[in-house]
Amino acid sequence: LAKTTQPISMDSYEGQEVNITCSHNNIATNDYITWYQQFPSQGPRFIIQGYKTKVTNEVASLFIPADRKSSTLSLPRVSLSDTAVYYCLVGLTGGGNKLTFGTGTQLKVEL
Amino acid sequence: DAGVTQSPTHLIKTRGQQVTLRCSPKSGHDTVSWYQQALGQGPQFIFQYYEEEERQRGNFPDRFSGHQFPNYSSELNVNALLLGDSALYLCASSLYQATGLYFGPGTRLLVL
Repeated sequence: LAKTTQPISMDSYEGQEVNITCSHNNIATNDYITWYQQFPSQGPRFIIQGYKTKVTNEVASLFIPADRKSSTLSLPRVSLSDTAVYYCLVGLTGGGNKLTFGTGTQLKVEL
Repeated sequence: DAGVTQSPTHLIKTRGQQVTLRCSPKSGHDTVSWYQQALGQGPQFIFQYYEEEERQRGNFPDRFSGHQFPNYSSELNVNALLLGDSALYLCASSLYQATGLYFGPGTRLLVL
């Protein structure tokens, strides 16, 4: 299972762009990179998933370099409601595989 | 389209007791995974069920067991509860042959 490393915490202000980088040096060929958001006492919520290059959806972008040994979650113009823990996971979320969560990155957004 | 549901939302037990937690997967999903999340930690994988069989298991003792029913819903059973079993228990569903893992709201278990 690919191990991931993320910053423990990050601080930002409303309206700024936030980039959270995750290192996953031993990512396997078939592994996907998935980011989740979690608020206190709630289940993690899927944000975005990618395999290579760039993926964008209505809430975030995911940048993956060619070697796939790291990835960056980009949150444009954050608001107070984006204060949460963000987890980077590497692996297959389908059957026969078990995703491993790290300690995540606590993002705090202030006015 | 109902998402993943879990019951109960909260539960208080005493040491040595047994507990059963329940999960209904998102409509169309056939695989259920269970996670334990201690306060301040990331979720830890317990096990995964598909076609009513345990397919993968994390580093948890045999006190943790599960079951999947023909309708894909699942139960997590924990025997001989310890204080350290106090945590948020999360159920996640997916399709066995696809990516995408969807979590329920969790069951908060407190062992006294």
